[in-house]
Amino acid sequence: GENVEQHPSTLSVQEGDSAVIKCTYSDSASNYFPWYKQELGKRPQLIIDIRSNVGEKKDQRIAVTLNKTAKHFSLHITETQPEDSAVYFCAAKGNSGYALNFGKGTSLLVTP
Amino acid sequence: EAEVAQSPRYKITEKSQAVAFWCDPISGHATLYWYRQILGQGPELLVQFQDESVVDDSQLPKDRFSAERLKGVDSTLKIQPAELGDSAMYLCASSPDPGPYEQYFGPGTRLTVT
Repeated sequence: GENVEQHPSTLSVQEGDSAVIKCTYSDSASNYFPWYKQELGKRPQLIIDIRSNVGEKKDQRIAVTLNKTAKHFSLHITETQPEDSAVYFCAAKGNSGYALNFGKGTSLLVTP
Repeated sequence: EAEVAQSPRYKITEKSQAVAFWCDPISGHATLYWYRQILGQGPELLVQFQDESVVDDSQLPKDRFSAERLKGVDSTLKIQPAELGDSAMYLCASSPDPGPYEQYFGPGTRLTVT
């Protein structure tokens, strides 16, 4: 089955700096790669997603890049703000199955 | 904006007791997922429904867990008997179909087994 690895597990940045979280996946047939933000005690919320026919997608301060050859994708947050502090999960959805396979999460702390 | 509903939000039970969780997906969503999230980890799929049919329950501990979606709308996940290791957040999610589309998560049920 699909295996998704996520790094780093924790990330601390100063407000205004950029944050980058990286994920790798194992199933070359995977075609959908969402990123979820989860605040403490709350539900995961989709912040951006990318499909396998696109290499990069941007939404204001958030961008995701996908390298299908290397089987990795990354989340980029620019001009970070304290309210960006949360746990971020990457996920991949393979062709052979229907559910999302999640990484173990990155705890992002943005300090003022 | 429509949301996935779950109840209860919190449940404390003693080991060997039975517990049940309920999920009501977004109206019109044919695909429903139950995930388990252990503290500090990502969600892991327990069972996936397409309408009323189970399409993947390979990770569901069937000796103690059961799930149903009788009319293809809301769903119930049951654990009997509960064990200490079942303490986790149980998340329900839904999507319009099983393709590469966003899954919308409910608020979850936090289960504590004592």
